[in-house]
Amino acid sequence: AQSVTQLGSHVSVSEGALVLLRCNYSSSVPPYLFWYVQYPNQGLQLLLKYTSAATLVKGINGFEAEFKKSETSFHLTKPSAHMSDAAEYFCAVTSQGFQKLVFGTGTRLLVSP
Amino acid sequence: NAGVTQTPKFRVLKTGQSMTLLCAQDMNHEYMYWYRQDPGMGLRLIHYSVGEGTTAKGEVPDGYNVSRLKKQNFLLGLESAAPSQTSVYFCASRIDSHQPQHFGDGTRLSIL
Repeated sequence: AQSVTQLGSHVSVSEGALVLLRCNYSSSVPPYLFWYVQYPNQGLQLLLKYTSAATLVKGINGFEAEFKKSETSFHLTKPSAHMSDAAEYFCAVTSQGFQKLVFGTGTRLLVSP
Repeated sequence: NAGVTQTPKFRVLKTGQSMTLLCAQDMNHEYMYWYRQDPGMGLRLIHYSVGEGTTAKGEVPDGYNVSRLKKQNFLLGLESAAPSQTSVYFCASRIDSHQPQHFGDGTRLSIL
């Protein structure tokens, strides 16, 4: 069965520092992968998606993620953190049969001045 | 364009009461989903629908029922609310199985 592991329930960075949020997946079929962001008291918003085209995917707000099949990873990065990036981030993979998404447990990003 | 709209946004129930959460989407999406979000557990799928008139169980379906009588609406029912169902409930929809899901803003439900 498909699954997602997000390493680190909390990640703290200083403003201007590199952001790296880790996501590893398990999938028996070529996966579609997604990163979502959730701001307080809001629903999830799509940051970016990988659907078997380019392995480096650029998303909104300066985020990008690289699909690495050999490492079964899809880590999210941003070169320079901004205070407004503080939020919870979820990685997700499509289920076998593509009917559902399987979500990780989330990583809360804290950005300090 | 409203996207995915959930009503109500907040609700407090007593144990044993029933209620229905409504999700409405105006994007002509085929697929609709109900999740619950609890601290440290991410999003867990309750029920989903792949088209009008269809429903299927997700990861945590017990204590919940759903209906999709109209394509644009997906209803989540709690027949006899329990404190363990205190959570934030999210509805999502997508146009087909290869596209990302669009989420509503959530319903915060407390059961005393």
